[in-house]
Amino acid sequence: QSALTQPRSVSGSPGQSVTISCTGTSSDVGGYNYVSWYQQHPGKAPKLMIYDVSKRPSGVPDRFSGSKSGNTASLTISGLQAEDEADYYCCSYAGSHVVFGGGTKLTVL
Amino acid sequence: QLQLQESGPGLVKPSETLSLTCTVSGGSISSSSYYWGWIRQPPGKGLEWIGSIYYSGSTYYNPSLKSRVTISVDTSKNQFSLKLSSVTAADTAVYYCARLGLTAAFDIWGQGTMVTVSS
Repeated sequence: QSALTQPRSVSGSPGQSVTISCTGTSSDVGGYNYVSWYQQHPGKAPKLMIYDVSKRPSGVPDRFSGSKSGNTASLTISGLQAEDEADYYCCSYAGSHVVFGGGTKLTVL
Repeated sequence: QLQLQESGPGLVKPSETLSLTCTVSGGSISSSSYYWGWIRQPPGKGLEWIGSIYYSGSTYYNPSLKSRVTISVDTSKNQFSLKLSSVTAADTAVYYCARLGLTAAFDIWGQGTMVTVSS
C-alpha cells in the first residue's frame, strides 16, 4: 500500500483560509467515506480533527472542515490562527488496512 | 477519561525483537466499538500504521511489515502489545498506541515512546 499524497507544505496569514489536499486511489480515499485528519504539534501526539470525511469530534473548532471528491479528500482551515501552525496528516481506511498521508506542514505567516 | 500509555525498552539491538505494551486505563479494552492500533513515526518523518487488533484477537497488519509484526491483546490486564522482529536502524521511531473507531479514525492516542535501534 502506498502512502496518500499530500503537499509538503502550505502557508497562510492569520484570518485567511487554507486547504490541504490528500490524494489516494479508488482502493482507499475514493472507495470509502472513512477519511480522517490529524493535527500534530512538535513533540506531541497527533490529535484527531476530522473523521468520516467531514465530521468533527467534540471540542474541535468549526473552523476545521473536511470534504471529499473522487479520490481526493481535503481539509480546510478557515480564520487561520497562530496555534494552527502544525503538521497535518490524512488517513484512510483501505479495506482491512489503514494508510496515512505523508503529512503537510502548515505555516501561519 | 480513557488514557493509553506505552511502555517498553527505549533501546533495542539490531536483529533483535522490539516489544512494547500499551496499557488502557479509564475504560475497557473489550469494547465492541473499537479496535486498538500501533502507529510509528521515524524522526522527522510521517506517520506509519503498523497494525490493529480487536479485543477478540482479530488482527490486521501493514502489508509492508506483516512478516515481522505480531500484535496481541490481554483483556485481563486491559493491555495490548506489539512485537517487531529482526529490527534494523530503519525501525528507529516514536511508537504510538491508539484507539481506533470502527470507521478507522484514531481518536485517542498515547503519548508515544521513542525506540532506538542501535548496538
